[in-house]
Amino acid sequence: SQTIHQWPATLVQPVGSPLSLECTVEGTSNPNLYWYRQAAGRGLQLLFYSIGIDQISSEVPQNLSASRPQDRQFILSSKKLLLSDSGFYLCAWSWQGYYGYTFGSGTRLTVV
Amino acid sequence: AQSVTQPDIHITVSEGASLELRCNYSYGATPYLFWYVQSPGQGLQLLLKYFSGDTLVQGIKGFEAEFKRSQSSFNLRKPSVHWSDAAEYFCAVGERFGNEKLTFGTGTRLTIIP
Repeated sequence: SQTIHQWPATLVQPVGSPLSLECTVEGTSNPNLYWYRQAAGRGLQLLFYSIGIDQISSEVPQNLSASRPQDRQFILSSKKLLLSDSGFYLCAWSWQGYYGYTFGSGTRLTVV
Repeated sequence: AQSVTQPDIHITVSEGASLELRCNYSYGATPYLFWYVQSPGQGLQLLLKYFSGDTLVQGIKGFEAEFKRSQSSFNLRKPSVHWSDAAEYFCAVGERFGNEKLTFGTGTRLTIIP
């Protein structure tokens, strides 16, 4: 069966510090991968999606970047965090051609 | 581009009562439609989805949703809620011939009272 792992679960970082959130999928190959951010009262905002290694599309220009160094690994990064980067970050995967997203358990990021 | 509206930010229902959560979408054709549930501090779990065919869709945990093309709606229903149904519910839409990205509504928080 397929599983998705996301870590860390919570993170408190000072403004201006770097960020690296990792997401990995097991039990499948060549998945579509997604990073969403959830802010209170604003639903889920798609940040990045990837259909393959080194194939990443950005939905919202911002302080964040994403990379996919391996088929089932998706990393969300920032060189310098802003207060506005605080939120709940969710990774998800789906099979290509199928919309049934499976979400990770999320990372609560607080920038102080 | 598609969009999703969930007009109710917060709904309170008594345990055992029926539930209907509203979802309206904007899209040029018939989209793919989804309902997800999120417990506090957790990721999202798929409740049900509509791709085509029967407009009444059955999901997990006793939920169902009905696609109404004329109203551009995909409302979620449950005949009798349980305290464990307290959570946040998200409606989502995907382009039928798109790139498998989902657009989510802002969510409806469901509170269950005894």
